[in-house]
Amino acid sequence: SQTIHQWPATLVQPVGSPLSLECTVEGTSNPNLYWYRQAAGRGLQLLFYSVGIGQISSEVPQNLSASRPQDRQFILSSKKLLLSDSGFYLCAWRFHGDGEKLFFGSGTQLSVL
Amino acid sequence: QKEVEQDPGPLSVPEGAIVSLNCTYSNSAFQYFMWYRQYSRKGPELLMYTYSSGNKEDGRFTAQVDKSSKYISLFIRDSQPSDSATYLCAMSDTGGFKTIFGAGTRLFVKA
Repeated sequence: SQTIHQWPATLVQPVGSPLSLECTVEGTSNPNLYWYRQAAGRGLQLLFYSVGIGQISSEVPQNLSASRPQDRQFILSSKKLLLSDSGFYLCAWRFHGDGEKLFFGSGTQLSVL
Repeated sequence: QKEVEQDPGPLSVPEGAIVSLNCTYSNSAFQYFMWYRQYSRKGPELLMYTYSSGNKEDGRFTAQVDKSSKYISLFIRDSQPSDSATYLCAMSDTGGFKTIFGAGTRLFVKA
């Protein structure tokens, strides 16, 4: 069976500090990978998606970047965090050719102070 | 106009009630329709999945899609306190890489 791991669960960072969130998927190969952000009481905003190693598409101009160094690894980064980067970050994956079902990780609650 | 509109609630019902959750959308290209359940501080979990129009039933849950009206619904029968969560509708077009989510409706089921 497939599983998705996302860490850390909670992170408190000062403004201007760097960020690295990691997500890995097990039990599948060549998945589509996604990073979403969810602000309090709001829906999910797509930040990045990737269809393969080294292939990143950005949906929203922002202070964040993403990388996919391995087939089942997806990393969200920032060089200098802003207060507005606070939120709940979710990694997700999807089978190729299995409709549009997304499967999410457990999320990272990021607070920038 | 947002692509997907969903009433954020909160919606509070007594245990055993029938719950109706709804979303409207504007993009006629959407073919895949999903409902996710999200408990506080957790990742969303896929609850119901429907392709094109029609109904789908799974236990106490029924999903309906009316493409002519661009309207989807989730019904929960015999609601339980454990159903208290945020319910997100989501949809996508064929071959697209992006899934669009509604804002989510917070549901409280009182014992």
